[in-house]
Amino acid sequence: DQQVKQNSPSLSVQEGRISILNCDYTNSMFDYFLWYKKYPAEGPTFLISISSIKDKNEDGRFTVFLNKSAKHLSLHIVPSQPGDSAVYFCAASGNSNSGYALNFGKGTSLLVTP
Amino acid sequence: EADIYQTPRYLVIGTGKKITLECSQTMGHDKMYWYQQDPGMELHLIHYSYGVNSTEKGDLSSESTVSRIRTEHFPLTLESARPSHTSQYLCASSESSGTDTQYFGPGTRLTVL
Repeated sequence: DQQVKQNSPSLSVQEGRISILNCDYTNSMFDYFLWYKKYPAEGPTFLISISSIKDKNEDGRFTVFLNKSAKHLSLHIVPSQPGDSAVYFCAASGNSNSGYALNFGKGTSLLVTP
Repeated sequence: EADIYQTPRYLVIGTGKKITLECSQTMGHDKMYWYQQDPGMELHLIHYSYGVNSTEKGDLSSESTVSRIRTEHFPLTLESARPSHTSQYLCASSESSGTDTQYFGPGTRLTVL
């Protein structure tokens, strides 16, 4: 039973435009959410996170929005650059029964075209 | 920047071999994790540790075992590798608090023939 869902397997955006990646979750116990960027055959790289007490967190070109009532979060990348092309994973934690391990979505493959 | 290392990066072995995937971190993190990922799929937790001498199984059933004798070291062992073990194995660590960030190593891509 997947608790974190990324319903868009892929997204293509032009350089300079905004990329919006979406993520939904089902477990209301999740209280910390993260976005990771991953290249093939490499480990995920942490991008940005947000606690459930906030609804927005910004770091440079990356902004994460959290809508707890809708159990939805999104990652905005502005402006998008070709180097942003990668797979982006949404993750959530809050279950102490598994050491606060992360629950991951299946990822969204972002392609930023020149 | 995270200081977490995994060796080997790539491994191709035959069925029945015993293998150990190494993971070490220099950040002094108490918690460490092993995830497994197949292409196009989410990462699945297979083992985690709260600290030295602590190991627990994750949500995804795995025939592998782990040990945590030192804080910085969290190796994963497969006693008898099979083709179904072919996957990417990712090690991560985090500080000992509820809302903290996990940092990942570069992963080991394992292929069992």
